[in-house]
Amino acid sequence: DGGITQSPKYLFRKEGQNVTLSCEQNLNHDAMYWYRQDPGQGLRLIYYSQIVNDFQKGDIAEGYSVSREKKESFPLTVTSAQKNPTAFYLCASSKQGEVYGYTFGSGTRLTVV
Amino acid sequence: GEDVEQSLFLSVREGDSSVINCTYTDSSSTYLYWYKQEPGAGLQLLTYIFSNMDMKQDQRLTVLLNKKDKHLSLRIADTQTGDSAIYFCAESRYSSASKIIFGSGTRLSIRP
Repeated sequence: DGGITQSPKYLFRKEGQNVTLSCEQNLNHDAMYWYRQDPGQGLRLIYYSQIVNDFQKGDIAEGYSVSREKKESFPLTVTSAQKNPTAFYLCASSKQGEVYGYTFGSGTRLTVV
Repeated sequence: GEDVEQSLFLSVREGDSSVINCTYTDSSSTYLYWYKQEPGAGLQLLTYIFSNMDMKQDQRLTVLLNKKDKHLSLRIADTQTGDSAIYFCAESRYSSASKIIFGSGTRLSIRP
């Protein structure tokens, strides 16, 4: 079955460390997205990529980095420059021109300890 | 502007109908969506409506679109405890074909 997989589900990070969140899809989708969700708040776009080897900043890109070396994969690195990284991170993908919107992963909860 | 707005909370008695409302600002919206998020999970697409339609029904779900007022609503008939979740309204536009704009979500709670 096709889908989008995020790992790990829970992640703990010490202050000052970089961590990388994984997002893999086998839906043959062209575009991929990273969102951040804080308690009681909506989704805020961090980065998105519409094709391999290209990506754009979203609304809150500072302190984050991404790469898109393969169509299937869009990892997100939370760097030590991100001052308040504790949040729920959601990855999504979509196919160009498709009407069904985005397919979401199940999320990664990152906690800074 | 880019805003998609929703009220934050809705409380409904089990068995009643729930109506979740959303307003958007961009008249070039092509598709409008409703997503459901259960605790600790990702978002799942519930239903969508094309901007030239004014109503869509799918089992217990009814979507109404008033394009003149830029108002979208989701009605859930016979609300059950399993409907407790956050519901997100979202829109896509001609101007940014791959980018969907999400509302802040409405938390639906069901009381016995």
